[in-house]
Order: sequence, then C-alpha cells, then structure tokens
Amino acid sequence: DADVTQTPRNRITKTGKRIMLECSQTKGHDRMYWYRQDPGLGLRLIYYSFDVKDINKGEISDGYSVSRQAQAKFSLSLESAIPNQTALYFCATSDLQGGSTGELFFGEGSRLTVL
Amino acid sequence: AQRVTQPEKLLSVFKGAPVELKCNYSYSGSPELFWYVQYSRQRLQLLLRHISRESIKGFTADLNKGETSFHLKKPFAQEEDSAMYYCALKPLTSGSRLTFGEGTQLTVNP
Repeated sequence: DADVTQTPRNRITKTGKRIMLECSQTKGHDRMYWYRQDPGLGLRLIYYSFDVKDINKGEISDGYSVSRQAQAKFSLSLESAIPNQTALYFCATSDLQGGSTGELFFGEGSRLTVL
Repeated sequence: AQRVTQPEKLLSVFKGAPVELKCNYSYSGSPELFWYVQYSRQRLQLLLRHISRESIKGFTADLNKGETSFHLKKPFAQEEDSAMYYCALKPLTSGSRLTFGEGTQLTVNP
C-alpha cells in the first residue's frame, strides 16, 4: 500500500546535537512538506518542496534545514537542537492534483525531545 | 497573510448530542477550507473540504464568507468521533500550502 514513512518515530537528544528526521514515500507524489505540531499551536509549516529542485521556506524555518534527495525522500535537519524544538514532526505529501484540492497525506509523525 | 482560528481547544459532548466545532479564518482573497481529523493512533487525514459540499461520517461544514467561518457540525455525535480536528485554509492562488488552525480535541462521552 502506498505510504508515507517517517524515521525515527521517537528520538531524545541533547541541546546542541545535530538531528535528522527522514521521510520517504511510495505514493509517487511530487510535493512534500514538513510540519511541526505543538499543543495549542496546531500544525505549522517548516519547509516544503514541489519537486527535487524546488525547496521553499515555510512559516517557521529558522533553526531547520531540509534536503530533497529524490522525489521520494525529504529530510529535515536540526543543525543544533534546542529545547523549544521539542515537538511532534509530520511529513506530508501531495500530488499536483492534490496540490489543487488541498489533500495532504501524512506520515505517522516523529516525536523529538530535546533536553 | 491568512490565519485560521479554532477557539475551542477542548470540546466534550455526550453521545447522541449535537456537536459543532468552530473555525474562523482571516484571508483577503477567496480561500478553500478543509477539515482534517486525527483519531487516536491514526494519521492525520482529510475529513472534508468545502468545495465538495459533502457529508462525511455525518459531518458537514458550510463556508460562511460573510462571517468568515467554516464550522464543522454533526447532529448526533458518536463515541468514535472522538479525535483531534483541525481546520485548514488554502488560498486559491498559492498552490497547496495549507494553513492549519490550533486544533480542537473532541471527546464524545458515553
């Protein structure tokens, strides 16, 4: 079944460490996104990519970077993690048609704790 | 810039009671509005979109441009409706970048 897979699902790290969250998809979608979910704040867009050569900042990109290694892979990096980056991170995908209709397909989430 | 507000962080109703999850938005142009739902231990998924004018799992939502609202309603709540609900907006002109509200955690009690 076509899917969106995130690794790791849970990670605890220390302040200052570099962390990478990975997302891969078998849906064949061109568009990929990274969102962050915080209680009371909802989901906020960190970065998005409409194809392999296209990377765009979202509303809260400071402190994060991304890499679109292939159509199916989109990684999120925290170069030097800080405690307020503790959150649940979601990867999502959409195809061109979904880009028009608004349907995103989400991964299961990666829970990151920065001590 | 667009903004989506869900004023109720928590909402609790009894089974069989009507439920309304509020969503207000601000956007100067023509938006598309959506409701996404996240059931316990499941992925966030699309519930319905205003443009389709559909009823999904008994839920409906009407876009009220005058009041800039897109409230989600169900006449008789069921226990399986307990979930986190997110309202989302997508400007017609900006591709597929969704802006989400803060979310409302709905609990339907037996």
